Amino acid sequence: SQQGEEDPQALSIQEGENATMNCSYKTSINNLQWYRQNSGRGLVHLILIRSNEREKHSGRLRVTLDTSKKSSSLLITASRAADTASYFCATGRNSRLTFGEGTQLTVNP
Amino acid sequence: EAGVAQSPRYKIIEKRQSVAFWCNPISGHATLYWYQQILGQGPKLLIQFQNNGVVDDSQLPKDRFSAERLKGVDSTLKIQPAKLEDSAVYLCASSFTEYNEQFFGPGTRLTVL
Repeated sequence: SQQGEEDPQALSIQEGENATMNCSYKTSINNLQWYRQNSGRGLVHLILIRSNEREKHSGRLRVTLDTSKKSSSLLITASRAADTASYFCATGRNSRLTFGEGTQLTVNP
Repeated sequence: EAGVAQSPRYKIIEKRQSVAFWCNPISGHATLYWYQQILGQGPKLLIQFQNNGVVDDSQLPKDRFSAERLKGVDSTLKIQPAKLEDSAVYLCASSFTEYNEQFFGPGTRLTVL
């Protein structure tokens, strides 16, 4: 069963704006990962945050994790047209990764 | 470094036919995964190998799907016989260990008519 649920399902913004995507999950996890998938292509790993971490940065990406609320958020700052893609959160538990349904982000030039 | 390789990239077959997909993981990666991604959904794990042993195949429809990873490197996923609902993208991924980030191949898009 899919554990992670992303919100919103779709997001459309203008270039230069920030994009925030949220992920909620149901059971305890070892880590939470975010992946990006461009149309018709494989997934690319963006960032991994462990259950004992609260925030992590990588370039224009900022991920937070609140294990008490079983939720995570991905913030993309100063978005670019090239950021247009589907973004998936995946929860890691007992070495298995379970993906959510994804958020489709469209960045308009 | 070379990424995860998959072939073929596209395959169209009739229902009840058989099909096989091939995956070559990143060199040195002990863990290999096969996922099924139906259009509009997130990837679903079908099977996970650690070297040449199966770690998790709980979501693999074993009446029609089979997978092997001989010698702990390349892997093949087979569907026999295919059903219409098997139409999806089949993704292969590998990781250094089961606790590290996964690297995905480009996938094989299967259409069952």
